[in-house]
Amino acid sequence: KQEVTQIPAALSVPEGENLVLNCSFTDSAIYNLQWFRQDPGKGLTSLLLIQSSQREQTSGRLNASLDKSSGRSTLYIAASQPGDSATYLCAVTDSSYKLIFGSGTRLLVRP
Amino acid sequence: GAGVSQSPSNKVTEKGKDVELRCDPISGHTALYWYRQSLGQGLEFLIYFQGNSAPDKSGLPSDRFSAERTGGSVSTLTIQRTQQEDSAVYLCASSSTIGETQYFGPGTRLLVL
Repeated sequence: KQEVTQIPAALSVPEGENLVLNCSFTDSAIYNLQWFRQDPGKGLTSLLLIQSSQREQTSGRLNASLDKSSGRSTLYIAASQPGDSATYLCAVTDSSYKLIFGSGTRLLVRP
Repeated sequence: GAGVSQSPSNKVTEKGKDVELRCDPISGHTALYWYRQSLGQGLEFLIYFQGNSAPDKSGLPSDRFSAERTGGSVSTLTIQRTQQEDSAVYLCASSSTIGETQYFGPGTRLLVL
């Protein structure tokens, strides 16, 4: 059974810092991996999608990497801003096209 | 519309009553998914629809839960004889086709008293 783990559970950094969020999964037979952001009381916003054949994706200050063989992904956020404060969720699409989510990393960027 | 919409945004019901939650996917998206987000449980898959194929119902927690998708567009999630443990945020998502980026609605917050 696929399990997705995110470390750390919570993170507090001063504005301007670069940071890395980690995601690991137990079964490497994934279709793709997505990173989402969730603001309090809101739905999920897709940030990046990495296909299983890809190694990384970039969007603005965000860069996500995927190492399928080791079951790991990282989300790198450059020059963090207070507006980046949210919960970040990692999810893998398994072979039956279901999204399996991690429990998230709650990020606080202090001004 | 521009994004996925869900209604109602909040629903309070009494234990034992039936509830219906609605999802309007992004126009043209053939795949539609339902998830549940509970305190302490995280986000869990419930069901998905892809085109005219039979839905994947493997995540539905009990036979009190059912969903349908009419005309390949709007979907309704029905919970019969609600229980307090059904209290959660129910999220709907759609994608252009199965396996592509999923776009989520704002969710329906359900409270069963």
